[in-house]
Amino acid sequence: EIVLTQSPGTLSLSPGERATLSCRASQSVSNSDLAWFQQKPGQAPRLLIFGASSRATGIPDRFSGSGSGTDFTLTISRLEPEDFAVYYCQQYGSSSYTFGQGTKLEIK
Amino acid sequence: EVQLVESGGGLVQPGGSLKLSCAASGFTFSGAAMHWVRQASGKGLEWVGRIRSKANSYATTYAASVKGRFIISRDDSKNTAYLQMNSLKTEDTAVYYCSRFYIRFGESYGMDVWGQGTTVTVSS
Repeated sequence: EIVLTQSPGTLSLSPGERATLSCRASQSVSNSDLAWFQQKPGQAPRLLIFGASSRATGIPDRFSGSGSGTDFTLTISRLEPEDFAVYYCQQYGSSSYTFGQGTKLEIK
Repeated sequence: EVQLVESGGGLVQPGGSLKLSCAASGFTFSGAAMHWVRQASGKGLEWVGRIRSKANSYATTYAASVKGRFIISRDDSKNTAYLQMNSLKTEDTAVYYCSRFYIRFGESYGMDVWGQGTTVTVSS
């Protein structure tokens, strides 16, 4: 099973700042089959990025994904108030679709 | 509108069984792979398992934590996926979500549609 480790656990930033979230895999993720999700309290997760760098439908271009192999990054270029939430990475390159433990993005 | 609606959650005793349903609408359900994901209160997301389409032999895969106890099935005539949970443990207590994994012309687009979740509580 591929284990995904996200860092940092909590990120404290102000609106307008740039956020960089990391996701590291215990082994190479095939075909860059990695996704990022945003989750707000009481809501289902929302797909942001698939294929490591492709934005899902309706996702603003301030969200971008990059990386390959074992190291992946989600970048939010200029934080809006609605971006403060928990973010999860997920790999779907193996038969077991594991999630990272999440990064909480909070207002500083 | 593309939509998934889960139902069937509730309170069950340890060792008991429960069957969740996920009703789909707004897309071609028969062609979609369907996944179940759970989330314990205050915790992260945990992938539970998935069932592929008829074209892929309805193949199922499960997380190690539920393998042998949970069974995922589907009824394409009813546009519904199911999660049969047996031998339930207190650690199975969570909100259970179903999700569509979208594939088009052989390209994977990820889990792009999610239901609102249904709560399962395993307690005596």
